[in-house]
Amino acid sequence: KQEVTQIPAALSVPEGENLVLNCSFTDSAIYNLQWFRQDPGKGLTSLLLIQSSQREQTSGRLNASLDKSSGRSTLYIAASQPGDSATYLCAVKGYGGATNKLIFGTGTLLAVQP
Amino acid sequence: SAVISQKPSRDICQRGTSLTIQCQVDSQVTMMFWYRQQPGQSLTLIATANQGSEATYESGFVIDKFPISRPNLTFSTLTVSNMSPEDSSIYLCSVLRGANTEAFFGQGTRLTVV
Repeated sequence: KQEVTQIPAALSVPEGENLVLNCSFTDSAIYNLQWFRQDPGKGLTSLLLIQSSQREQTSGRLNASLDKSSGRSTLYIAASQPGDSATYLCAVKGYGGATNKLIFGTGTLLAVQP
Repeated sequence: SAVISQKPSRDICQRGTSLTIQCQVDSQVTMMFWYRQQPGQSLTLIATANQGSEATYESGFVIDKFPISRPNLTFSTLTVSNMSPEDSSIYLCSVLRGANTEAFFGQGTRLTVV
C-alpha cells in the first residue's frame, strides 16, 4: 500500500530565503508525482507535475525533483515571499486502469515572514 | 489546465440533514473524483464518478452516505446524507487532464455540521 510522507510538517522562514520541502513515498512504482498549493479552507492549485521518467520540473521560482528509486521528491522555492505562505501537498499516482486516484502526503504548512 | 466550478463554497448545516455539492467542468471528462479533507488532515478519495455507470467507492465510503450523480460528461454531484458533526470537512472534486494526467481541483466546499 502506497504511503506518502512530507517533512517538515510546518516551516517558518524569513522573506527572501530559499527553502526545500520534502516528500517521500514507499512504493516506487508511480506514474507521476504532483505538487499542489492549498490556501486555508480552499481547493488545491497545481504547481508542478513530474512524470516517472523525469528528474525535475521548473516553473518560475519553483523547482521540483524526483528520485523514484529512493522514493523521494523535493520542492525548492527560491527567494520566498509572504505570498508563498500556504500548505504544500505532494501526491503520487500509481499505474493501472482503476488506479487513477492520487495518494496525498500529509502536507507542509509554510509561513514566510515579512 | 481545467476550470472547475464547485458550489456551494461553504455551508453550515444541521445534523441529520443532507447537502448536495455540485461540480461543473469546462469540458468533457471521463472520470470525476470526489475527495474529503477532514480538519488538519490530508485528502482522501471518496469515490470515482463515471458517466453512465455507478460510482466506484473507496474502502470506508458507502453509497447510502455519499450518493453521487453523473448525468453527463461535464457535471457531477456529491450528496452528504444524514450529516453528523464528524462530516465537517472540505469536500473537493477533481479531474485528470491531458496525456500526462495532471490533476485539477475545484475550489472546495467547506462544510460545518452543527
